[in-house]
Amino acid sequence: TQLLEQSPQFLSIQEGENLTVYCNSSSVFSSLQWYRQEPGEGPVLLVTVVTGGEVKKLKRLTFQFGDARKDSSLHITAAQPGDTGLYLCAGYGGSEKLVFGKGTKLTVNP
Amino acid sequence: EAGVTQFPSHSVIEKGQTVTLRCDPISGHDNLYWYRRVMGKEIKFLLHFVKESKQDESGMPNNRFLAERTGGTYSTLKVQPAELEDSGVYFCASSYYRELFFGEGSRLTVL
Repeated sequence: TQLLEQSPQFLSIQEGENLTVYCNSSSVFSSLQWYRQEPGEGPVLLVTVVTGGEVKKLKRLTFQFGDARKDSSLHITAAQPGDTGLYLCAGYGGSEKLVFGKGTKLTVNP
Repeated sequence: EAGVTQFPSHSVIEKGQTVTLRCDPISGHDNLYWYRRVMGKEIKFLLHFVKESKQDESGMPNNRFLAERTGGTYSTLKVQPAELEDSGVYFCASSYYRELFFGEGSRLTVL
């Protein structure tokens, strides 16, 4: 069974700080996605990384896929209150079903 | 363009009753998925339709769950009879390829 471990589970920081969220597995994934979910809504796709070592940037968010395609990280620079939400990593193994991590609940205080 | 819509947004039922959840995918999306999040756990895959065919139903918990997709359009997920452990948020998602668009979810509470 493929599992994705996310850390930390909870993160509360002040506006302007930087943070990194990690997503780790012992399994190889063909691609990995990051989602953001707000209360009462469904997850919204932020990015998909496919190639080992790949780095993608989305404004202040930087996503990295590990060389071995077993792990990923999300780095946010100068966090803002609008970044508050639940961040989920999810990966495709050998099928079309996504495996999700439990998520990281981020709170950015003004 | 309308997103994925799910109905009802919240359902509260007694153990042993039946509930049917509905999902309307984005028009033109052949792929339709059902996922579930039980409190404290990660979102887990239930099943995958391609048009009206079940491509993968390996995540369905047991035979109390029945999913259908009429004519390759909307889908329903029926739970009969519901048990306490069925409580959770049921998400539907649709896609053309691997960019999934999720609905807001249907929260099911079984008392």
